[in-house]
Amino acid sequence: SQKIEQNSEALNIQEGKTATLTCNYTNYSPAYLQWYRQDPGRGPVFLLLIRENEKEKRKERLKVTFDTTLKQSLFHITASQPADSATYLCALYQGAQKLVFGQGTRLTINP
Amino acid sequence: DADVTQTPRNRITKTGKRIMLECSQTKGHDRMYWYRQDPGLGLRLIYYSFDVKDINKGEISDGYSVSRQAQAKFSLSLESAIPNQTALYFCATSGREDSLNYGYTFGSGTRLTVV
Repeated sequence: SQKIEQNSEALNIQEGKTATLTCNYTNYSPAYLQWYRQDPGRGPVFLLLIRENEKEKRKERLKVTFDTTLKQSLFHITASQPADSATYLCALYQGAQKLVFGQGTRLTINP
Repeated sequence: DADVTQTPRNRITKTGKRIMLECSQTKGHDRMYWYRQDPGLGLRLIYYSFDVKDINKGEISDGYSVSRQAQAKFSLSLESAIPNQTALYFCATSGREDSLNYGYTFGSGTRLTVV
């Protein structure tokens, strides 16, 4: 089965810098990959989807890349703000309409 | 009202008790899912349903059962709760494949503690 690894459990970034989170997977390349944001005590909220034939996707200050050769997706938040502090999850399509989730990276943006 | 509502939000129960977690949605989605979240393990799929007559096991279904009472309702039962079922439980919904651009919609979760 697909294994997903997100870099470091926690990441601390200075406000204004770009935060970069990594999602690596081990087996077949999925048809698409999604990124979610989760705040404490809340359910994950969908942010972006990127398909296997797309190299990059942007939404406001967010950018996601998808490299099927490296089996990796990078999630960038530019001009980071304290309000961006949350846990970010990547999720890979596993077939039959199912997603498999990474364990998440807890991002803290320091003022 | 939230698109996906889970009840209860918090529950403490004793080992051996039967407990039901409920989920209802107003998204009109066909697909519903139950996940549990544990620190360091991420979200793991327990059961999923693609319509009212469809129930499928996920990767960790042992000790759990589900019921899809209607398109909008999907409940999760622990027949005889044990302490290692202490976790945060999430219900999620999704539309048909062409709407996957919008991802899953999650409820706010049920924090279950088995003592």
